[in-house]
Amino acid sequence: QVQLQESGPGLVKPSQTLSLTCTVSGGSFISTDYYWSWIRQPPGEGLEWIGYIYYSGGAYYNPSLKSRVTISVDTSKNQFSLKLSSVTVADTAVYYCARLTDDLWLDNWGQGTLVTVSS
Amino acid sequence: EIVLTQSPATLSLSPGERATLSCRASQSVTSYLAWYQQKPGQAPRLLIYGASNRATGIPARFRGSGSGTDFTLTISSLEPDDFAVYYCQQRSNWLTFGGGTKVEIK
Repeated sequence: QVQLQESGPGLVKPSQTLSLTCTVSGGSFISTDYYWSWIRQPPGEGLEWIGYIYYSGGAYYNPSLKSRVTISVDTSKNQFSLKLSSVTVADTAVYYCARLTDDLWLDNWGQGTLVTVSS
Repeated sequence: EIVLTQSPATLSLSPGERATLSCRASQSVTSYLAWYQQKPGQAPRLLIYGASNRATGIPARFRGSGSGTDFTLTISSLEPDDFAVYYCQQRSNWLTFGGGTKVEIK
């Protein structure tokens, strides 16, 4: 069973860049059957898709976040990463990494990590 | 952007009762719709994909139906473990989620 684990700072200052990494274990990271995705959830609110990336590096982003988001992949470490620039308090959320099937369903999720944007 | 509207926002039911959750899309998503369950402090879990296919390990009491713009998640007989928030998600045009329906104990 594949497992995903988010890691990174829990506190980021406004205007800075949020950086998170997701480590994938227990399954094949290099696969033509899956993409690797980031989703976020502000406290007490619903889910928002951020973007996803293929193991070879092709990435797709939510149009509303596209100007601030970069997702990258490191196949040597079975990891993919999220960078969100120019953060504001509105970016405070639990950030999840997840595996996305080739039909674009999120079938395995990390436990999530809370990132707070505050000075 | 395709907007998904879930109703009701909250459903108050007793264990053993039938739950019917609705998800309506602002334009057709054909059958490209999934349902997720989220419990407090946990990540969402995939229940249904392709509108009506149960994900691995999901009990038969969960049933998805619909196509086009109107979809339903039915839980035939609520177990104590089923009280949670449920989200729908479409993949027809990027990925978007509905606002969620909370199923609470009456």
